[in-house]
Amino acid sequence: AQTVTQSQPEMSVQEAETVTLSCTYDTSESDYYLFWYKQPPSRQMILVIRQEAYKQQNATENRFSVNFQKAAKSFSLKISDSQLGDAAMYFCAYRSFSGGSEKLVFGKGTKLTVNP
Amino acid sequence: DSGVTQTPKHLITATGQRVTLRCSPRSGDLSVYWYQQSLDQGLQFLIQYYNGEERAKGNILERFSAQQFPDLHSELNLSSLELGDSALYFCASSVHSASAGEQFFGPGTRLTVL
Repeated sequence: AQTVTQSQPEMSVQEAETVTLSCTYDTSESDYYLFWYKQPPSRQMILVIRQEAYKQQNATENRFSVNFQKAAKSFSLKISDSQLGDAAMYFCAYRSFSGGSEKLVFGKGTKLTVNP
Repeated sequence: DSGVTQTPKHLITATGQRVTLRCSPRSGDLSVYWYQQSLDQGLQFLIQYYNGEERAKGNILERFSAQQFPDLHSELNLSSLELGDSALYFCASSVHSASAGEQFFGPGTRLTVL
């Protein structure tokens, strides 16, 4: 079974600075998806960024980018120019690519605090 | 707004009772997923339906059941409720395709069992 580990329960960053959230995963599959979801105090789950394992290029979405290291099974999220609105819980998630269950397997989350 | 709707937003009930949570997926999405978020267990997958059929089961208790109707909305039924069932229950939907990975989440239903 796949597992996702987020080793940083809490992180903090100064406004306008850069922060990196870590995620590692374990799988025997070669094709899969990886995601970062953001959960602000409203509790809504918001997709931040996705990465297909077969793509070597790291995904970017505006101030958010990932460092995907397939061999190391590592998938970190970098937030540049941090803003107060980035404060939230961040969850790393894994999804199988192949048919069958498309369930998401989540890490325990990292609580990000942004200091003004 | 993800396009996924869930009702009710909040539900307070007593132990031993039964409740039904409702979810309407995004227009065009055939797959519906249910997740439970609790303090001790984190976010856990419960069950998936695709176009009316059960597709996958996760750590769903026997006291829980779900179904997806012809109009694609889904209901999660929780019975013989216990204090430990208090959690945030999310519904998510996606287009069922190997090329589409995203699941879009509804706002959740917060269940409190007293």
